[in-house]
Amino acid sequence: DTEVTQTPKHLVMGMTNKKSLKCEQHMGHRAMYWYKQKAKKPPELMFVYSYEKLSINESVPSRFSPECPNSSLLNLHLHALQPEDSALYLCASSQETGTGIGPQHFGDGTRLSIL
Amino acid sequence: QQQVKQSPQSLIVQKGGISIINCAYENTAFDYFPWYQQFPGKGPALLIAIRPDVSEKKEGRFTISFNKSAKQFSLHIMDSQPGDSATYFCAATYRSNTGKLIFGQGTTLQVKP
Repeated sequence: DTEVTQTPKHLVMGMTNKKSLKCEQHMGHRAMYWYKQKAKKPPELMFVYSYEKLSINESVPSRFSPECPNSSLLNLHLHALQPEDSALYLCASSQETGTGIGPQHFGDGTRLSIL
Repeated sequence: QQQVKQSPQSLIVQKGGISIINCAYENTAFDYFPWYQQFPGKGPALLIAIRPDVSEKKEGRFTISFNKSAKQFSLHIMDSQPGDSATYFCAATYRSNTGKLIFGQGTTLQVKP
């Protein structure tokens, strides 16, 4: 079992729907990440939150909207997605210390399918 | 300069053999090199990591060898087992930054019984 929990595990949605992906960690990590992973490819970074503030947006389309309500939770709000957005969405977290960022720990992801 | 090149793309090894996956980087600012193991339907799991001031790190059957001058690092899996069959990603980052990981393209390992 991973220490980063993602829900739901699977999600099927139409292109006009609005849905949200959730991520939770209780390791006290202050950096949290969203990644997108296509089959047989490495994860691609989407967003980075540091101390609940968005620090990196990798030019992600506005139909993806991240939110960090507190230090343990990370959401990804989805609206008007396209079929090419079908992928595994991974959340990760890492510790921030005075010497930098610690290793990233991943959840098992949400498998998203856009009809 | 942000790329990490990983090879081979796929690897088949007999049970008990040694699996070797290689990665090369260009950015000398990288100071942390983790390896991730990913099983189908699961997220990547941190396997082992190394810093450039160390030439080798071993954890059980897994060893990272690091060649700073050549800007290369490799993962060796000794006594490979069918349960090691997975996709392996090398990565690089510099921790003083945001911790953004630069991943290699991945290697699919199959260990035959």
